[in-house]
Amino acid sequence: QITLKESGPTLVKPTQTLTLTCTFSGFSLSTSGVGVGWIRQPPGKALEWLALIYWDDDKRYSPSLKSRLTITKDTSKNQVVLTMTNMDPVDTATYYCAHSLQWLSPPDYWGQGTLVTVSS
Amino acid sequence: QSALTQPRSVSGSPGQSVTISCTGTSSDVGGYNYVSWYQQHPGKAPKLMIYDVSKRPSGVPDRFSGSKSGNTASLTISGLQAEDEADYYCCSYAGSYTFAVFGGGTKLTVL
Repeated sequence: QITLKESGPTLVKPTQTLTLTCTFSGFSLSTSGVGVGWIRQPPGKALEWLALIYWDDDKRYSPSLKSRLTITKDTSKNQVVLTMTNMDPVDTATYYCAHSLQWLSPPDYWGQGTLVTVSS
Repeated sequence: QSALTQPRSVSGSPGQSVTISCTGTSSDVGGYNYVSWYQQHPGKAPKLMIYDVSKRPSGVPDRFSGSKSGNTASLTISGLQAEDEADYYCCSYAGSYTFAVFGGGTKLTVL
């Protein structure tokens, strides 16, 4: 059974750096083809793809946010970490992490999401 | 503004069929057979309903089907049921640089 869960601060101040952790079970990020990604959704708005890391440490980022994002993995801890620098109120959103079975497979298992509010 | 264009809302009566469109470009929807569709109920995480344009994950009813023509993908839901009322999002692979893009979402109302 694949499960994922996001954790991190619920409130950050503008200009601060956000660090979110995705802790998962039921699969290994050392398995060929597997990936874990991040997607966000501002309140009442659409989904936005952010970043993805594959088993072989291949990393992909949204071009519009690439300069602010870093995705890393800790295979031994079954965790993926996303950092986003220079947070702004427009970054207020629910942040989801999700599993992808193989290269170019869409996210199939999602975490419950974590709401991050950016406010002073 | 989302990269893929979806109608903001669609509606249908129980038992009817509805189709939701997702229009992109030759750089995403039209260029690859990697279109997926998600269903999202209020306050819940998205659920994968269709992948690779027309494939259904295990457990998804065959009332849900996907197709693509040119730069437009479509999700058809037949035999509408009350529990189908939700937001639906399309997603497409968009090449090695952009990688993935979502649509703006469509609210399905079951009348």
